This record gives sequence, C-alpha cells and structure tokens, in this order.
Amino acid sequence: QKEVEQNSGPLSVPEGAIASLNCTYSDRGSQSFFWYRQYSGKSPELIMSIYSNGDKEDGRFTAQLNKASQYVSLLIRDSQPSDSATYLCAVIGGGATNKLIFGTGTLLAVQP
Amino acid sequence: NAGVMQNPRHLVRRRGQEARLRCSPMKGHSHVYWYRQLPEEGLKFMVYLQKENIIDESGMPKERFSAEFPKEGPSILRIQQVVRGDSAAYFCASSPLLGGEAGANVLTFGAGSRLTVL
Repeated sequence: QKEVEQNSGPLSVPEGAIASLNCTYSDRGSQSFFWYRQYSGKSPELIMSIYSNGDKEDGRFTAQLNKASQYVSLLIRDSQPSDSATYLCAVIGGGATNKLIFGTGTLLAVQP
Repeated sequence: NAGVMQNPRHLVRRRGQEARLRCSPMKGHSHVYWYRQLPEEGLKFMVYLQKENIIDESGMPKERFSAEFPKEGPSILRIQQVVRGDSAAYFCASSPLLGGEAGANVLTFGAGSRLTVL
C-alpha cells in the first residue's frame, strides 16, 4: 500500500465548475496535510495546509480532512483554465522525522 | 527574501561523471529536504538535513548518492558515477526551525535542478 494515494487523472472539468480532488493516506498517526500545485516543468507551490478534522476555506479552495477515514480532499470552486495543473497531496507522517511524503498527483484539466 | 535557491538549474553529464547540486534555504530556515521527480512521476523523498546533521536519509539510494548541509554554505546533493536513470528533476525545499506550531512544517520549494545524463 502506498503511503499517500491519489487518482492520477486526468480530471477534466468545465470552466466554472467545482473540481474535487481526493487523497488517502496510510499512516494513522499523520498530523499535517498539504495540497501543492505543480505546473508542468515548474516546482510545487503550496495551496493549502490543514491540521484538524473538518473544512478549511481559502478563497476558491476548500480543504477537507477526515482523520478517521484517513482521507483528505481539495475542492476548487469556479474552476479556471489557469487552475489546470497537477495537484499533489502531501502528508507528514507520525514518525520521528518531519519528512513530507507526496502522492503521485492528480492532473486537472479545466476546459474553457 | 530570495526564497530557496537552487543551482545549477540545468546540468548535463555523461555517464560516469559526477553531479553536484546546490541548495540555499530561505533566510531563517534551518531544515533542508531533497526530493527527486522522474518524468511523469511524483516527488520522491530522498533526504532531510539540518545544519551539519543528516536527520533522515531513508530515501537515498545506498550507493553513489550523498548529501550534506555544512555549517557554512549551501546544502549539496552529490551523485557519483551518474547513470542514465539518474536523469530527473531534483527539488530542494526548506522549512523553519521545527517547533510546536503546525505552520513550522510548511515546506517551500526551490525551482529545481534538472539533471540530464547522456
């Protein structure tokens, strides 16, 4: 079982729609969860961090965390073509070191 | 604040040569992480360092790869006797001093160094 799992996609949504990206993780002791966006050929950039169960909203982005189900998601409202990128879910596990483990990413394509 | 600085941005080596990748963390950050990204794949953790200490190198290949973060100067990822399979983007990230606040765990990435082995 992979430590962090994501559907590779591509996930295709029309402009203006809600894009829903999902991620599961295996380490039940994980405490910190992140969503990064990576455009082709570029470095990852942080979109959202979430540490507690529930929802966290920031502009058009909402992160949702359910530790009991070991599930974290990212919703993007009013999707724009500029949102087209690979979205990486990342988790800091419950181990002794602070390493951030990434999923393989979901490619999002927003169609104009 | 110049952010995380990596150099070179692009490096071409022939099989058997050595590659040295450098990373200067953000000002105030004392933790450095190296990740490797193969084409069409995710980011794979390699090593986590603090000044003069390797904290976690569980993702480093056992041979040919080494990393350091000296008291002075940048962190260096060194690949000896490169092979074609080493061709990848190598990203460095840094974070603030590890503390009790969750925000201290946020990593900021550099632009990456793209290694091509001929």
